[in-house]
Amino acid sequence: QKEVEQDPGPLSVPEGAIVSLNCTYSNSAFQYFMWYRQYSRKGPELLMYTYSSGNKEDGRFTAQVDKSSKYISLFIRDSQPSDSATYLCAMSGGSNYKLTFGKGTLLTVNP
Amino acid sequence: GAVVSQHPSRVICKSGTSVKIECRSLDFQATTMFWYRQFPKQSLMLMATSNEGSKATYEQGVEKDKFLINHASLTLSTLTVTSAHPEDSSFYICSASTGIGEKLFFGSGTQLSVL
Repeated sequence: QKEVEQDPGPLSVPEGAIVSLNCTYSNSAFQYFMWYRQYSRKGPELLMYTYSSGNKEDGRFTAQVDKSSKYISLFIRDSQPSDSATYLCAMSGGSNYKLTFGKGTLLTVNP
Repeated sequence: GAVVSQHPSRVICKSGTSVKIECRSLDFQATTMFWYRQFPKQSLMLMATSNEGSKATYEQGVEKDKFLINHASLTLSTLTVTSAHPEDSSFYICSASTGIGEKLFFGSGTQLSVL
C-alpha cells in the first residue's frame, strides 16, 4: 500500500460546480497536510496548509482533515476555468521536513 | 506566501555538458531546501535534501556524483547536473522551508532538455 493515495482523474466539471478532491494515507505520523495547485510546466503553488484534524477555509477553498480515517479533502466552490490544473495533496510528520505527495488529480473546469 | 526563485526556467544542452540550476529564497531564510524531479503526468520525486553548510542527503537511487548540490547560504542552493545525458531530460523543481512543519514553497521549475 502506498503511503498516499490520490485518484489521478482526470476530473472534468462545468464552471460553477463544486469540486471535491481527496487523498487517503496510511502513515499515522503525518501531522501537516497541504494542498498544492500545479499548472502545466510550473512549480506547485501552496493553496492550503492544515495542522492535524479539522477544517480550514480560504475564499472558495476548504480543506478538511480527518486523522481518524486518514482522509483529507479539498473542496472548491464556484469553480472557474482558471482552476483547471493538477492538484497535489502532500503531507509530512515526525522529525523531518520531507513531504510525501499524492500523484495529483488533473482537474478541468469547462466554461 | 514566500517567494522562491529558480533559474533558468528552461535549458537545452548537448550530451556530456554540465548544467547548473539555481534556487533562491527571496524573502526568507531557508534552513532546508529540496530538489525534485518530475516526469510528464507524474508526481514529484524527491531527489535530495539540502541543508545550509552541510552535505546534501540523497534519496535512494539518486547518483550524488551526477547531481551535485551545494547549499552555500541560507538563501541559495544549486543543483548541477554533470555530464548530462538525454535520460536526464526532465522538469526539475526546488523548494524551500524555514523549518520542520513549516510551509514548503516551490520554485517555478527548470525544464532540462539534453540533446
